[in-house]
Amino acid sequence: DTEVTQTPKHLVMGMTNKKSLKCEQHMGHRAMYWYKQKAKKPPELMFVYSYEKLSINESVPSRFSPECPNSSLLNLHLHALQPEDSALYLCASTRAGNTEAFFGQGTRLTVV
Amino acid sequence: GQQVMQIPQYQHVQEGEDFTTYCNSSTTLSNIQWYKQRPGGHPVFLIQLVKSGEVKKQKRLTFQFGEAKKNSSLHITATQTTDVGTYFCTSHLRASGSRLTFGEGTQLTVNP
Repeated sequence: DTEVTQTPKHLVMGMTNKKSLKCEQHMGHRAMYWYKQKAKKPPELMFVYSYEKLSINESVPSRFSPECPNSSLLNLHLHALQPEDSALYLCASTRAGNTEAFFGQGTRLTVV
Repeated sequence: GQQVMQIPQYQHVQEGEDFTTYCNSSTTLSNIQWYKQRPGGHPVFLIQLVKSGEVKKQKRLTFQFGEAKKNSSLHITATQTTDVGTYFCTSHLRASGSRLTFGEGTQLTVNP
């Protein structure tokens, strides 16, 4: 299994809603990542978990809250988002900190 | 933070023409990775270069890593319509193995 699975594929939420994005991998990878990608822009790193601990937070607003319940799962909890947060949210994982990254298909988020 | 600059931003070619994209960094890179993202898709790993001056080939794709480990290039010979997409170079900072940072990407379109 060389897949990173993200759910949901699409999400529309209001600015007062609370929702969660989920990411799962069963490759035994110990580093997992959240990226945000706007149209025609590169993926922008948000968070990195290494061995289930948050190792990098790229000054992301607190309305985005990551969680790593175990080595296979990564969540991104969303609360009180703004329309400008609408983007493709990508999850990735790597076996180690500097190896090939496997990306999920992403969650296309629209905030209304 | 690290700046990984990529040029050109856009490239339009006729099918059969060659294509090259360049990646430059102001700091020494521990490695360089190249990814391809098709329109509407997610980044897919192509290759990783680690050694100074390294050259690797994958069919019509040739990847190079500079002697000083500050630049890299991806060259596609005789482009095909299946080559359409955005090509990103990425790297891990030497001091921070998990911060996988993307360049701006080169968006390639191929006219049949």
